[in-house]
Amino acid sequence: GENVGLHLPTLSVQEGDNSIINCAYSNSASDYFIWYKQESGKGPQFIIDIRSNMDKRQGQRVTVLLNKTVKHLSLQIAATQPGDSAVYFCAERGGSYIPTFGRGTSLIVHP
Amino acid sequence: SAVISQKPSRDICQRGTSLTIQCQVDSQVTMMFWYRQQPGQSLTLIATANQGSEATYESGFVIDKFPISRPNLTFSTLTVSNMSPEDSSIYLCSGRDRAHNEQFFGPGTRLTVL
Repeated sequence: GENVGLHLPTLSVQEGDNSIINCAYSNSASDYFIWYKQESGKGPQFIIDIRSNMDKRQGQRVTVLLNKTVKHLSLQIAATQPGDSAVYFCAERGGSYIPTFGRGTSLIVHP
Repeated sequence: SAVISQKPSRDICQRGTSLTIQCQVDSQVTMMFWYRQQPGQSLTLIATANQGSEATYESGFVIDKFPISRPNLTFSTLTVSNMSPEDSSIYLCSGRDRAHNEQFFGPGTRLTVL
């Protein structure tokens, strides 16, 4: 399940399950969206991106869905593995070319 | 993809002192940025480091507190001046080439101010 902790929301899943991480963005003028993965002690790492003229984009084991009507973004991870345990950030970007980062979700994968 | 390194990786400093963090990119990038990340929090942009001119600071951040240099397209420094415990955070360097959408991050510098 998903719950809100003192800092980051946390999603706990079993290895092999599919994970869905959600993000609400604020700026209706944003035209580019990115998902980042941040492992402990490391900087954020690019996972996948999507432009506002698309509503779905697939990568290797990951899918990003964009719903502009409700300003919602989601990241789906198929067959989640322990190595997927990390904090996941969504980011939105408009004309400034500088992304604004969302709050982040901590994904914990149990073997 | 570009690889970004930062020095130091971590430091413990005394109140009132200053620390300069170095950021090196292994390829030329058009844009470089400095972020701050409190433990368990998201990333907050401090400033955009501009080559050959003054950095562009975000609201709440000023040059006197966070002077930034960017002498070329692969290197930048961020100084945290007159530190207080509230400056304890992770400081992240980031780079992006305007021709590409992907933005890369360094591993961060974990700063603790006593």
